[in-house]
Amino acid sequence: DAKTTQPTSMDCAEGRAANLPCNHSTISGNEYVYWYRQIHSQGPQYIIHGLKNNETNEMASLIITEDRKSSTLILPHATLRDTAVYYCIVRVAVYSGGGADGLTFGKGTHLIIQP
Amino acid sequence: EPEVTQTPSHQVTQMGQEVILRCVPISNHLYFYWYRQILGQKVEFLVSFYNNEISEKSEIFDDQFSVERPDGSNFTLKIRSTKLEDSAMYFCASRGLAHEQYFGPGTRLTVT
Repeated sequence: DAKTTQPTSMDCAEGRAANLPCNHSTISGNEYVYWYRQIHSQGPQYIIHGLKNNETNEMASLIITEDRKSSTLILPHATLRDTAVYYCIVRVAVYSGGGADGLTFGKGTHLIIQP
Repeated sequence: EPEVTQTPSHQVTQMGQEVILRCVPISNHLYFYWYRQILGQKVEFLVSFYNNEISEKSEIFDDQFSVERPDGSNFTLKIRSTKLEDSAMYFCASRGLAHEQYFGPGTRLTVT
């Protein structure tokens, strides 16, 4: 799996968009970018993933640069409940099966939403 | 919305005792995982399980650990002889079609 680099911590005001960057300059062509978060003492939570196109779901948007060497997770209207550690993980996803893919969690970004 | 469940939420055991942590993965998922998180540290992968056998395991998953899918719904992690350093949160996960993993709320294991 490609290595990722994320800032250690970030602050964001409640109601504003939170933009969390991730660098993955060694990403391979068949590797996807996945985002998870862990709210204090809870299990990690899947947020979103993408290959090269921008993606949006009910939780967030994922913007991947054209060269795929970096991405940004966007929480459009952050709330206090979005305070968590956010993990960017790059790995292969083979839709036709195969691979046991245990996740490797780094230190992530501790996002603190300020009231 | 389907979710992964785990029981118990908190288990206290004495050193040397056996513990079994239980998980019910999302019903149509085929890949299952156990992770652990020692207090203040990163989430660490332990083992993955598919088609009734271990697919991958980490260095942490030594002979003291075993996993089993005893029936069509439960997935268990057994620690045969617990040590103080086994105290941690243990998370079960199951995998969706896009290889995204859904985690349970965890079991806090305290070894005294």
